[in-house]
Amino acid sequence: KQEVTQIPAALSVPEGENLVLNCSFTDSAIYNLQWFRQDPGKGLTSLLLIQSSQREQTSGRLNASLDKSSGRSTLYIAASQPGDSATYLCAVPNRGGSQGNLIFGKGTKLSVKP
Amino acid sequence: KAGVTQTPRYLIKTRGQQVTLSCSPISGHRSVSWYQQTPGQGLQFLFEYFSETQRNKGNFPGRFSGRQFSNSRSEMNVSTLELGDSALYLCASETLPGQGNEQYFGPGTRLTVT
Repeated sequence: KQEVTQIPAALSVPEGENLVLNCSFTDSAIYNLQWFRQDPGKGLTSLLLIQSSQREQTSGRLNASLDKSSGRSTLYIAASQPGDSATYLCAVPNRGGSQGNLIFGKGTKLSVKP
Repeated sequence: KAGVTQTPRYLIKTRGQQVTLSCSPISGHRSVSWYQQTPGQGLQFLFEYFSETQRNKGNFPGRFSGRQFSNSRSEMNVSTLELGDSALYLCASETLPGQGNEQYFGPGTRLTVT
């Protein structure tokens, strides 16, 4: 059974720092991995989707990497800003490959202090 | 292009009642999935619909049901509400299931059961 773990559960950094969020999964036979952002009480915003054949994806100050063999993904945020404060979640599809059945980590709650 | 919309945004119900939530996917998206988010369990997959057919179902009791209409709009119903059903219910849409596409989430419906 696929399990997704995110460490740390919470992170507080001063503005301007570069930071890394971690995501690990137990079954390396994933179709892809998706990173989301969630603001309090709101829905999920898709940040990056990495296909299993890719190693990295970049969007602005965000860079996500994927290492299937080790069951890990990282989300790198450069030059963090207070507006980056949110909960970040990673998710992988269920083994059947159906994108409709995403398995989520519990998330990392990020706080960027001005 | 309008995003995923969910109605209502907030609901307060009493134990034993039933509730219906609605989700309209992004135009052109034919797959809709539902998730429940609680502080204790995180995000859990409820079910996925494509072409008016349920493709996948999560591990939830039969009180949770759903359907999809010919215009891809979806509803989920929870009967005989329990206090533990209080949660944020999120729906997500994608163009086609099983294609490795991104999932796009709506803002959610916050259900409170008293």
